Amino acid sequence: EVQLVEAGGGLVQPGGSLRLSCAASGFTFSDYYMDWVRQAPGKGLEWVGRIRNKRNSYRTEYAASVKGRFTILRDDSKNSLYLQMNSLKTEDTAVYYCGRPGGSYSGGYFDDWGQGTLVTVSS
Amino acid sequence: DIQMTQSPSTLSASVGDRVTITCRASQNINSWLAWYQQKPGKAPKLLIHTASSLESGVPSRFSGSGSETEFSLTISSLQPDDVATYYCQQYKSYSYTFGQGTKLEIK
Repeated sequence: EVQLVEAGGGLVQPGGSLRLSCAASGFTFSDYYMDWVRQAPGKGLEWVGRIRNKRNSYRTEYAASVKGRFTILRDDSKNSLYLQMNSLKTEDTAVYYCGRPGGSYSGGYFDDWGQGTLVTVSS
Repeated sequence: DIQMTQSPSTLSASVGDRVTITCRASQNINSWLAWYQQKPGKAPKLLIHTASSLESGVPSRFSGSGSETEFSLTISSLQPDDVATYYCQQYKSYSYTFGQGTKLEIK
């Protein structure tokens, strides 16, 4: 059974930093691209970014709203995905989900999601 | 970025009704479209991918259709458990984008 468990959310001041993690199990993590998706309170879903696998040089893609501030990382030896968030803004307040591509290791839709972790950016 | 526009934003229907939600893409995305169901406090759940392929385990009352820029999600006979918010998502190109959501309620 695929499991994705996010952690690391919390309250942070504007301009601060936070690192989220997503622990994966039940599949060959190293084969898969992995994504982050977020949802502001009472709002819709927003794709944050993606990291490819080692075969594809761990290349990343980001939404314009986070590019240059957020970095997606992975540690295949620990089956873990990370989201390093710097220069946080109040509009980054959201539940952050990690998502596993469906259909294939590089699919564009998500057939497995974590439970989410809440990040609140406020003074 | 490709914009995804869903309609309606909210929908109220009776148990047993046939319900349709539409999603329009700002440019041709072929069939690179997924539909998700999200219940309050829960992660989204994949229903449909590649515009019309039903995800394993999803009830057959859900179906998807469309291509290029016009898509729809249909529930053939609405059940109480279908109360949720539904989102479309394009994965033709980065940045992947979602529709704004359709909140489905029971009358």
